[in-house]
Amino acid sequence: SQKIEQNSEALNIQEGKTATLTCNYTNYSPAYLQWYRQDPGRGPVFLLLIRENEKEKRKERLKVTFDTTLKQSLFHITASQPADSATYLCALEHGNNRLAFGKGNQVVVIP
Amino acid sequence: KAGVTQTPRYLIKTRGQQVTLSCSPISGHRSVSWYQQTPGQGLQFLFEYFSETQRNKGNFPGRFSGRQFSNSRSEMNVSTLELGDSALYLCASSPGQGTNTEAFFGQGTRLTVV
Repeated sequence: SQKIEQNSEALNIQEGKTATLTCNYTNYSPAYLQWYRQDPGRGPVFLLLIRENEKEKRKERLKVTFDTTLKQSLFHITASQPADSATYLCALEHGNNRLAFGKGNQVVVIP
Repeated sequence: KAGVTQTPRYLIKTRGQQVTLSCSPISGHRSVSWYQQTPGQGLQFLFEYFSETQRNKGNFPGRFSGRQFSNSRSEMNVSTLELGDSALYLCASSPGQGTNTEAFFGQGTRLTVV
């Protein structure tokens, strides 16, 4: 069956450190993968998109890698700040304009 | 540019009733997708509309339906509500011209079925 797995345990991290989140998937062949941020009671906000032929993408303090052999994406937040505390969702392309989401991984940055 | 607007923000309904939720996409966006988000299942795809046509449908019962109007605004309807339909319903819009575009989400409608 198709699965998208993100760590269900919250990641508690000290301010200034790098947070690394993992997204593993099974039985998908996504042409691209996206990462979103969601704050409580709000809709997800797009952060980054990485295509299957790209190994790495960066945007400011964010970095995403995509390994189609391992069927895994890693999401890094460098120099983390308390304002980065949120739930981060990975989403796979799953057909024409359709996304399949993981359940998300909560990040808590401790000042 | 105004974002995606969903109305109402909160709804309380009784089992067996029906409900209609509304979504106004970003101006110029022709694709509207709907998702259901619950703590147990996460975000699950309901359906996607493009230029008034349903292009994709998720694995939800026929009680869940939707439509899109000529101005790209979309509605979703849930009939014969069940307690398990309590969730955050999210709408996302995108230009719809290609598949590798970001989705812009609204704030959602929190539906509680009692």
